[in-house]
Amino acid sequence: AQSVTQLGSHVSVSEGALVLLRCNYSSSVPPYLFWYVQYPNQGLQLLLKYTSAATLVKGINGFEAEFKKSETSFHLTKPSAHMSDAAEYFCAVSEPMNRDDKIIFGKGTRLHILP
Amino acid sequence: GAGVSQSPSNKVTEKGKDVELRCDPISGHTALYWYRQRLGQGLEFLIYFQGNSAPDKSGLPSDRFSAERTGESVSTLTIQRTQQEDSAVYLCASSLFGLAGEDTQYFGPGTRLTVL
Repeated sequence: AQSVTQLGSHVSVSEGALVLLRCNYSSSVPPYLFWYVQYPNQGLQLLLKYTSAATLVKGINGFEAEFKKSETSFHLTKPSAHMSDAAEYFCAVSEPMNRDDKIIFGKGTRLHILP
Repeated sequence: GAGVSQSPSNKVTEKGKDVELRCDPISGHTALYWYRQRLGQGLEFLIYFQGNSAPDKSGLPSDRFSAERTGESVSTLTIQRTQQEDSAVYLCASSLFGLAGEDTQYFGPGTRLTVL
């Protein structure tokens, strides 16, 4: 069964600094990988997803993530943090080749932006 | 409306009472999902409806939990004899076709359930 681990339940970065949110996965078949964001008092929304095409995936709001099979990672990055990026971020994995496929979410990382 | 809606947004109940949570998916979406998000934990899958197929109930934590969906529209999640450990945010999502990989899930704002 697939699983996902997010390193760090809280991450703080200064405004303008690089954002790096870590996600490692395990999967018995080629996975699909997702990053979702939950802004305060809002529902989850999809940031980006990897579905076996290009390994570098660009999402909304300047975020991108790179699928690295050798490292079983799908870390989320943004070159320059903005105050509006403060939110909780969830990494997720699914196994579309499996008949019992579901999306499994990580525990989330809360991103704090320091002025 | 344009998105997934859920009601109520907040529910406070006493231990032992039954609660019913409602989800209105995006019109035309055949798939509907319920998740639970407990404090400090990741999203837990609860149940998945896809068209007229039998729902995937494999994530329901106990027989106190049940869910129904009318056709491809509204869904209700019912928790009987609530316990304090049921306190969580319950999230509903819908997607167009229901294929987890290719299909984007759109989430509602959630219902925050507090069991006293």
